[in-house]
Amino acid sequence: GAVVSQHPSRVICKSGTSVKIECRSLDFQATTMFWYRQFPKKSLMLMATSNEGSKATYEQGVEKDKFLINHASLTLSTLTVTSAHPEDSSFYICSAPRTGDPNSPLHFGNGTRLTVT
Amino acid sequence: QKEVEQNSGPLSVPEGAIASLNCTYSDRGSQSFFWYRQYSGKSPELIMFIYSNGDKEDGRFTAQLNKASQYVSLLIRDSQPSDSATYLCAVNGGGAGKSTFGDGTTLTVKP
Repeated sequence: GAVVSQHPSRVICKSGTSVKIECRSLDFQATTMFWYRQFPKKSLMLMATSNEGSKATYEQGVEKDKFLINHASLTLSTLTVTSAHPEDSSFYICSAPRTGDPNSPLHFGNGTRLTVT
Repeated sequence: QKEVEQNSGPLSVPEGAIASLNCTYSDRGSQSFFWYRQYSGKSPELIMFIYSNGDKEDGRFTAQLNKASQYVSLLIRDSQPSDSATYLCAVNGGGAGKSTFGDGTTLTVKP
């Protein structure tokens, strides 16, 4: 069964609104979670590293004020796309390394397909 | 130069054949290497991971790592149509635990 749960799986919103995506580790504690974005037929682009109890680390070129990340507990990280625009439409995927070793394999959520109209 | 490079693909093999997927990486300090499979419209799922030089086998899948050549590959024996997907090579440099992904190779197994 899934070890990382991501919701919603699909969301359509109007331009200018905000959307929150949740990522939960189901049977393990995740002090670190990663948020990726994927465009059609392209690879995963790391947006940010979510750290429990501290600020997220954003990759170069990712607007931290637009993509708000909160990692309030050891099992939950959220990504909020603020004031969404059509160019934010994409497939967003969260992941977490299962064990305490950050180099262990990643377990991915099922992804959220965001469409901004 | 990209940090992780994969065969541009697409790769097409007949059912029952061996599919060979290749990946090179630029960071010599990389410590862990992964192959993920991604079906269209779905998120990636782990196929294999390898940390040491040599071969690692799991069922029909074999991962091969050569750190001196900065090369990692995935062999799929007895390929099945259900193996048709995009295969992503990912490399961890250690420390931050962030994986850098290649662009993926799309494999089609024809019945």
